[in-house]
Amino acid sequence: DAGITQSPRYKITETGRQVTLMCHQTWSHSYMFWYRQDLGHGLRLIYYSAAADITDKGEVPDGYVVSRSKTENFPLTLESATRSQTSVYFCASSPDGTPTLYGYTFGSGTRLTVV
Amino acid sequence: TQLLEQSPQFLSIQEGENLTVYCNSSSVFSSLQWYRQEPGEGPVLLVTVVTGGEVKKLKRLTFQFGDARKDSSLHITAAQPGDTGLYLCAGANAGGTSYGKLTFGQGTILTVHP
Repeated sequence: DAGITQSPRYKITETGRQVTLMCHQTWSHSYMFWYRQDLGHGLRLIYYSAAADITDKGEVPDGYVVSRSKTENFPLTLESATRSQTSVYFCASSPDGTPTLYGYTFGSGTRLTVV
Repeated sequence: TQLLEQSPQFLSIQEGENLTVYCNSSSVFSSLQWYRQEPGEGPVLLVTVVTGGEVKKLKRLTFQFGDARKDSSLHITAAQPGDTGLYLCAGANAGGTSYGKLTFGQGTILTVHP
C-alpha cells in the first residue's frame, strides 16, 4: 500500500532555475491537487486536476506549471524559481470531486528552499 | 473567494486541560473537515461533518458543525502530549467552480506540555 509519494523530500535550488516536484499515487484517484503551506497562510491551492489531461488553476498558480499525462502522476514545475516560492509543497488526491465522502489523502510534502 | 478563519492560531496548554478551536466563515459550506498534521508529514483527515448542527465524537475529540453551516469547532477533553500538532479545518462546496476543492483555514498549532 504505497499510497501517495512525493519526491524529493527536500530541495535547495537557485533563483531562476527550473525545478520539478513529483507526485505519484497508486490508487487511481481521479482528483489530484498541489498545495503550498506557509506559516500564517495555511494551505493554498496552486493547481488541481480532475482527470488525466484535465488541469485547472487554483488560488496561487502564477509561476507554476502542471501536467497530467497519466492518472497516477501529477508533477509540479517551477519555471523560474523565486525566493517567494520557498515553501513546503503538498500533493493530495481524492477518489472523485466529492471531498465530503472521502476527504483528501496527502503526501508527506517537499520542502523547497530557493536561494 | 471563500475564507475560513481559525482561532486561536497558537495554543499552549498543560496535559489534562480542555481546549476548543474555532473555524469561522461568512460563507456556507456543504461540509467541513478537520485534519491533523504532525511535523514533517501531510495532514490526515480526522472527521467530516455534513449536516448543520451535527456533532461527532472521536474519543476525546468532539467536532460540531454550526446550524448555518458557516462555522465549526473542535473540542479536546483532557488533552495529552500526543494531541500536539497542527489542526486544520477545511470547507467543501458542492458545485460550481469550487467543485471538488477544499478551502483550508490557516491552522491552529497546539502544544500540550506534560
